[in-house]
Amino acid sequence: ELKVEQNPLFLSMQEGKNYTIYCNYSTTSDRLYWYRQDPGKSLESLFVLLSNGAVKQEGRLMASLDTKARLSTLHITAAVHDLSATYFCAVDTPTQNTDKLIFGTGTRLQVFP
Amino acid sequence: GAGVSQSPRYKVAKRGQDVALRCDPISGHVSLFWYQQALGQGPEFLTYFQNEAQLDKSGLPSDRFFAERPEGSVSTLKIQRTQQEDSAVYLCASSDQRNTEAFFGQGTRLTVV
Repeated sequence: ELKVEQNPLFLSMQEGKNYTIYCNYSTTSDRLYWYRQDPGKSLESLFVLLSNGAVKQEGRLMASLDTKARLSTLHITAAVHDLSATYFCAVDTPTQNTDKLIFGTGTRLQVFP
Repeated sequence: GAGVSQSPRYKVAKRGQDVALRCDPISGHVSLFWYQQALGQGPEFLTYFQNEAQLDKSGLPSDRFFAERPEGSVSTLKIQRTQQEDSAVYLCASSDQRNTEAFFGQGTRLTVV
């Protein structure tokens, strides 16, 4: 059974600092997603990573994928308060009958001045 | 519509009551998913439809949970004889075909008292 683990679970960081969130998954998958969730809100798609070595960047966030290591990272550069949210990685399971996503436990990020 | 729409946004049910949660996917989207998100957790897969066919219901936690999509568009998730452990946010997502990115609705927060 596919399992997805994120670390850290909680991250409190100062504005202007850099940090990386890690996402490990247990079996082969075709694609990996990163989502952001604000309190009481739904999931906002940040990145879709489709192949080994894929790297995508949007503003202060950069995501990468290493399918051989079954590892994805979400790197935060020069954090700002607006990045405070919970971040989830999710891996899809495209079998014959389903495209369901398996989500990680989430990383709750708090950025303080 | 512009996005996935879910109703109601909030539902309080007395233990033992039946509830029905509605999902209007993005127009033309073939695939529809239901997820359950408990407080402080990542979303967990419940069930998947391709058009009107329910291809995967492996995530439904008990036979009290039932989902349908009779005409291949709107879907309803029904929970019979609600229990306190059913309290969660129920998220609906849709995608335009298999193996493409799914877009999430705002969710329905169910509280069973």
